[in-house]
Formats: sequence, C-alpha cells, structure tokens
Amino acid sequence: AQSVTQPDIHITVSEGASLELRCNYSYGATPYLFWYVQSPGQGLQLLLKYFSGDTLVQGIKGFEAEFKRSQSSFNLRKPSVHWSDAAEYFCAVGLTGGGNKLTFGTGTQLKVEL
Amino acid sequence: DVKVTQSSRYLVKRTGEKVFLECVQDMDHENMFWYRQDPGLGLRLIYFSYDVKMKEKGDIPEGYSVSREKKERFSLILESASTNQTSMYLCASNRQGANGNTIYFGEGSWLTVV
Repeated sequence: AQSVTQPDIHITVSEGASLELRCNYSYGATPYLFWYVQSPGQGLQLLLKYFSGDTLVQGIKGFEAEFKRSQSSFNLRKPSVHWSDAAEYFCAVGLTGGGNKLTFGTGTQLKVEL
Repeated sequence: DVKVTQSSRYLVKRTGEKVFLECVQDMDHENMFWYRQDPGLGLRLIYFSYDVKMKEKGDIPEGYSVSREKKERFSLILESASTNQTSMYLCASNRQGANGNTIYFGEGSWLTVV
C-alpha cells in the first residue's frame, strides 16, 4: 500500500526567508503527487500537483515542488515566505487507476515569525 | 468555482445519538469522499462514492455508514456516536476519469461527542 511521510511536524521561519517542506512517498509505480494547504478552521486548498512531465511543478501563491524519483520525494518550496503563508500543509499521493482516492501525510504546521 | 458545502460546521452530540453530516457539491462530480482529520494523523478516508448509490469503504469505515441517493449529495452517518468519533470531518469531490483530477474540499464539520 502507498504511504506518505512528512517528517517535520512543525516548522518556524522568518518572514522573507526561504521555505522547504519535505515529503517522501512509498509507492511501487509513479504516483500522482499533491500539495494542499489548510488555513485554520478551513478546508484544504490545492497548491499544486504532479502526474507527468516536467518534474518541477509551479503552483499558486508562489509555491513550487520538485519530484525526485530517485529519492521518492516531492518537496515543497517557496523562495520568500509571507506571514499569510502560516498554515498546515499536507502532501498526498494518488493511486494510478485508484479512482482518485488520495493518501495524505500527517501534515506540517508552518509558523511565520514577523 | 467549484463549491463543496458542508451544511453543519459545528455540532455537539451525545454518546449514542445518530448523527448525519451532509455534503453537497455543485459541479456534477461523480466522485465524493468523506475524510476524517485528527491532529498528528492527517486525513484518513472513511468512505468513497463513485456514483449514485455506489460506495466503497476507505481506510477507517468502522462506526460509519454513508448514503448517496442523489449525485450532488453525500451523507455521512454515525449510527451511534461515540466519544472517539470527536473529530473534524471533511467532504470532498472530484470528476471521474483521468487520474490526477483535482479533489475539492468543503470547509469541514467539527463534531464533538460528549
């Protein structure tokens, strides 16, 4: 069965600093990979997704992620964090032919210091 | 814009009560999902429906059932609520077909069982 690991439960960065959130997956084939963001008390919003092609994916709000097959990773990055980026971030993997069901990681809570 | 609406944002129920969580989507999506979100555990799939009256168990279906009588509506039912079902419940939907179709989430229903 597929699984997703987000090794960092909490991360604190200063506003304007760069950000990298880690995500590793376990899956036998090439997965479909997603990053979602959840603001407090809200549902999840899709930031970006990868399922084929260019391994560097651009998303909304200035985020990008890079798929590295050799490392089974799909890390999320942003060059300069804004205070409004404080939220919880979830990495997810989708099964090929799996009816679009997603398996989520446990999330990384991002705090931004002003 | 796609809208997934969860009619009840905050509920408090007593142990043993029957609880209905309702979800409606307005984009004619074939697939609908119910996830449960708990701190440190991320999102876990309870049930999935790919068509009217069709359903599949997710990873944690015990203690839950679902109903999908109309395409736009997907209900989660707790037959006899227990305190360990206190959680945030997220409904989601997406279009059937090619893998990687974006899944859209509602804002969540916070359920407290006392």
